[in-house]
Amino acid sequence: SQQGEEDPQALSIQEGENATMNCSYKTSINNLQWYRQNSGRGLVHLILIRSNEREKHSGRLRVTLDTSKKSSSLLITASRAADTASYFCATDVPGDYKLSFGAGTTVTVRA
Amino acid sequence: DTAVSQTPKYLVTQMGNDKSIKCEQNLGHDTMYWYKQDSKKFLKIMFSYNNKELIINETVPNRFSPKSPDKAHLNLHINSLELGDSAVYFCASSQSMNNEQFFGPGTRLTVL
Repeated sequence: SQQGEEDPQALSIQEGENATMNCSYKTSINNLQWYRQNSGRGLVHLILIRSNEREKHSGRLRVTLDTSKKSSSLLITASRAADTASYFCATDVPGDYKLSFGAGTTVTVRA
Repeated sequence: DTAVSQTPKYLVTQMGNDKSIKCEQNLGHDTMYWYKQDSKKFLKIMFSYNNKELIINETVPNRFSPKSPDKAHLNLHINSLELGDSAVYFCASSQSMNNEQFFGPGTRLTVL
């Protein structure tokens, strides 16, 4: 079954604006990862955050994790046209090697 | 140098046929995966191999059979293709379980 669910399903913003998307999950996790998928391409790993971490940064990306609320957010600052893509969260749970993906948030950055 | 490569990129075939998709990674990773992505972009794990040993085998019809001849390769063979098998199939690899995964470019399978 699907573990993570992203919100919103779709997001349209102007270049230079920030984009925020959220991921909620159902059971306790080991790690939460965010991936990007450009149209017609494979997924690209963005950030991995462990269950004992609360925040991580990578360039213009900021990920937070709130295990009490079973949720994570991905913030893209100063968006660019090249950020247009689908963004997926993925979780793995203790004792299970499987990575479960959400349905993704489709982000469109308008020039 | 492509890290994870898949062939073919596109596969169009008739119902009932048997086909294979090949995957190779040159990252020296121990773990490889097959995923199926449907038309709504929902990505679901099918199989995973760690050091050539099958460790994840999700509820997938036994028409799908993975084969790992060595750590760098994981192929997917599909027998008696059905319309519902139409999807994009992604291969991925990781250094070990629960690490970041590196995805191939995908194989778009269309069953007519």
